[in-house]
Amino acid sequence: NAGVTQTPKFQVLKTGQSMTLQCAQDMNHEYMSWYRQDPGMGLRLIHYSVGAGITDQGEVPNGYNVSRSTTEDFPLRLLSAAPSQTSVYFCASSYSASGRYEQYFGPGTRLTVT
Amino acid sequence: ELKVEQNPLFLSMQEGKNYTIYCNYSTTSDRLYWYRQDPGKSLESLFVLLSNGAVKQEGRLMASLDTKARLSTLHITAAVHDLSATYFCAVDIRFAMGPRVGGATNKLIFGTGTLLAVQP
Repeated sequence: NAGVTQTPKFQVLKTGQSMTLQCAQDMNHEYMSWYRQDPGMGLRLIHYSVGAGITDQGEVPNGYNVSRSTTEDFPLRLLSAAPSQTSVYFCASSYSASGRYEQYFGPGTRLTVT
Repeated sequence: ELKVEQNPLFLSMQEGKNYTIYCNYSTTSDRLYWYRQDPGKSLESLFVLLSNGAVKQEGRLMASLDTKARLSTLHITAAVHDLSATYFCAVDIRFAMGPRVGGATNKLIFGTGTLLAVQP
């Protein structure tokens, strides 16, 4: 299994540009989440999904959109990039079968908005 | 507003010493996670604590959960340099409109992290 994969690893955007961060998992996990990590802070939840077709907002959803058309993929869209969105973005997936809901994290995407 | 607070934020230890990292949270939850992050890397799961009184140990690390006090601890025994990293606790928010199974939402709120530096 590849686990949770994210692309790209690095990205530089200009203010106002849009882009999509890709996240995929091959573990058949029903739960997927997007977090951002800023220096000196923990991770903050942006959006999450409890299954294909079901998404909800996290702590900091403004400026981001998600959709979940398949179990495997959970892309994060930046509609109009702003410097405040400069961050490291992590995608995670988890499953309920064990009762642990342990989240498995992808390698991250480092985004800079100039 | 939910808060998850860790202390200390920075911990410099000598090898061989013991210390404890504290994680306090402000809302009801009986599911707490500890993660490790090395510089420039992703998060690695260390412990999953699922109930009041849960205690888990792996090597020199031991984690415990007191849901009544809303407190989890990560105890480090006889620290070694390889334990140098940032440690995060995260709490699963339980709310009335949770998804299908067990009421857990898998919506994690993270603490700010504890940067641990173990000096030779």
